[in-house]
Amino acid sequence: DAGVIQSPRHEVTEMGQEVTLRCKPISGHNSLFWYRQTMMRGLELLIYFNNNVPIDDSGMPEDRFSAKMPNASFSTLKIQPSEPRDSAVYFCASSLGSAPQGYTFGSGTRLTVV
Amino acid sequence: GEDVEQSLFLSVREGDSSVINCTYTDSSSTYLYWYKQEPGAGLQLLTYIFSNMDMKQDQRLTVLLNKKDKHLSLRIADTQTGDSAIYFCAERTGTASKLTFGTGTRLQVTL
Repeated sequence: DAGVIQSPRHEVTEMGQEVTLRCKPISGHNSLFWYRQTMMRGLELLIYFNNNVPIDDSGMPEDRFSAKMPNASFSTLKIQPSEPRDSAVYFCASSLGSAPQGYTFGSGTRLTVV
Repeated sequence: GEDVEQSLFLSVREGDSSVINCTYTDSSSTYLYWYKQEPGAGLQLLTYIFSNMDMKQDQRLTVLLNKKDKHLSLRIADTQTGDSAIYFCAERTGTASKLTFGTGTRLQVTL
């Protein structure tokens, strides 16, 4: 398996633009998580899905952030409009329910908003 | 509620043992995890332990769990420069799919 695949690896955009981050989970995994990592706040859970259904989006910072999972093999995290304080590394992770092996993380998308 | 705490930084000399500590608050934890994050990379699972175990050893890694004190540790024997990274502990409670992560401990290995 190729693991959790995120795209793009790096994104530089201007303030006010829409940004879409993409994630392909491991085939067969039924839980998907979006995290944000910054120096100041560490690793923050933004939202997670079980069987394509959003379960907890309490970590989504503002209405500017939205996430979708239209099918079991694809998820997007969208920021519209983007702001400089959204600059961070965004990670996607997937897991097989409550299997003991926990999460598998993608390599992340480094977002810079200028 | 769930809360997982770690010290922020640890420096050790190459060849020495490293011990990274973690405390958690939820007594219903079922599994506890250690993840490693190298610069520019995602988190990689190192090892995990079931909550009814006290210890787990995997080559240079030893995990100790004190469930009474809600304390988890990761010992790395013969620490190498390649072990320099951020180490996160995490807990899973019950049958939930979600993990709660600590703040991460940055391990610096000096020559």
